[in-house]
Amino acid sequence: GQNIDQPTEMTATEGAIVQINCTYQTSGFNGLFWYQQHAGEAPTFLSYNVLDGLEEKGRFSSFLSRSKGYSYLLLKELQMKDSASYLCAVITRGSQGNLIFGKGTKLSVKP
Amino acid sequence: GAVVSQHPSRVICKSGTSVKIECRSLDFQATTMFWYRQFPKQSLMLMATSNEGSKATYEQGVEKDKFLINHASLTLSTLTVTSAHPEDSSFYICSARRASPTEQYFGPGTRLTVT
Repeated sequence: GQNIDQPTEMTATEGAIVQINCTYQTSGFNGLFWYQQHAGEAPTFLSYNVLDGLEEKGRFSSFLSRSKGYSYLLLKELQMKDSASYLCAVITRGSQGNLIFGKGTKLSVKP
Repeated sequence: GAVVSQHPSRVICKSGTSVKIECRSLDFQATTMFWYRQFPKQSLMLMATSNEGSKATYEQGVEKDKFLINHASLTLSTLTVTSAHPEDSSFYICSARRASPTEQYFGPGTRLTVT
């Protein structure tokens, strides 16, 4: 079966750093996406990793270890607007395969 | 980042009528487009996957005769909800994937209410 695990909720303080972990056990692997989703809105693309290592984009970084089936999203200099759900999603087969989503991590940023 | 548009953003229709939702990738050609549905406080549920010029692949439990998908070009896909019922009320979101670089963007979603 396909399984993607993320913590359900996290809380962090404005200005701090937070790491959201994602572990996956899937029948195949063709890349991992991170998305941000605010309540009532569609997901927003944050990052895509297919090779091991760290990808940095401004305040957001994403890391992948394929051998461990593990990824994390790192958010620096947290802002109140970063309060949202963060979704980890894996392409399991081929470049046209569907995304298998985790249930998402709801991040609350407090002053 | 790339932009995917969706129209309309909100629609209210009467039970028994049909509603068409358009999804466009504005600045890239999408190799594949996906249609999702999301109920409040739940995860995205994939309804179907479509490639330009070929029939859509529907997920188990999704009626292909009720949810008609047309993928006319590399930048346009449409979802038509036929004979809508109140239980079809949901947030419908399309997504377009670009092959190189590999990125997948979501449209802003269409909130459908069937009365």
